[in-house]
Amino acid sequence: NAGVTQTPKFQVLKTGQSMTLQCAQDMNHNSMYWYRQDPGMGLRLIYYSASEGTTDKGEVPNGYNVSRLNKREFSLRLESAAPSQTSVYFCASRTLDRGLYEQYFGPGTRLTVT
Amino acid sequence: SQQGEEDPQALSIQEGENATMNCSYKTSINNLQWYRQNSGRGLVHLILIRSNEREKHSGRLRVTLDTSKKSSSLLITASRAADTASYFCATAPSGYSTLTFGKGTMLLVSP
Repeated sequence: NAGVTQTPKFQVLKTGQSMTLQCAQDMNHNSMYWYRQDPGMGLRLIYYSASEGTTDKGEVPNGYNVSRLNKREFSLRLESAAPSQTSVYFCASRTLDRGLYEQYFGPGTRLTVT
Repeated sequence: SQQGEEDPQALSIQEGENATMNCSYKTSINNLQWYRQNSGRGLVHLILIRSNEREKHSGRLRVTLDTSKKSSSLLITASRAADTASYFCATAPSGYSTLTFGKGTMLLVSP
């Protein structure tokens, strides 16, 4: 099992450009999450999908959109990138099986917006 | 806003010593989890403690939870250089659908 995979690993954008970050999991998990990590800020939730067909805003959703393409895939889109979106982005997933609460994380995408 | 706050922000110890990190949170929880992040990598789940538990062990890890004080501690015994990483607490509210992470403790274990 690959677990949670993210593409690309690195990306540099100019202000105003758009891009989509891809995330896929092969663990048959129901819920998927997008976080951003900035120095000294820990992880902050951008959007999540509790189950296939649903998406909800997290703590910092402005400037982002998401698509839960199917049970495996959850993408994050930046329509018009801004320097404030320079960050490391992590995708995570978890099962909804009773008693299993841990999230599994991908390796991250390092995004720089100039 | 972040629910969990770790203390200290950074900790430097020698191999073989114990490392203790603390986490405080603000609202009632279903469970509290600890994660490790090695430099440049994704987070890895270490241990979970439920709101009705007071202490839990896993190998060299010991977690305590005091819901009256809204605090938790993570103890790593007999630290190794490989334990060098950032450690994050994360809280899950009742009816858990999301986690709220703290800002983390950076642990450096020197040989």
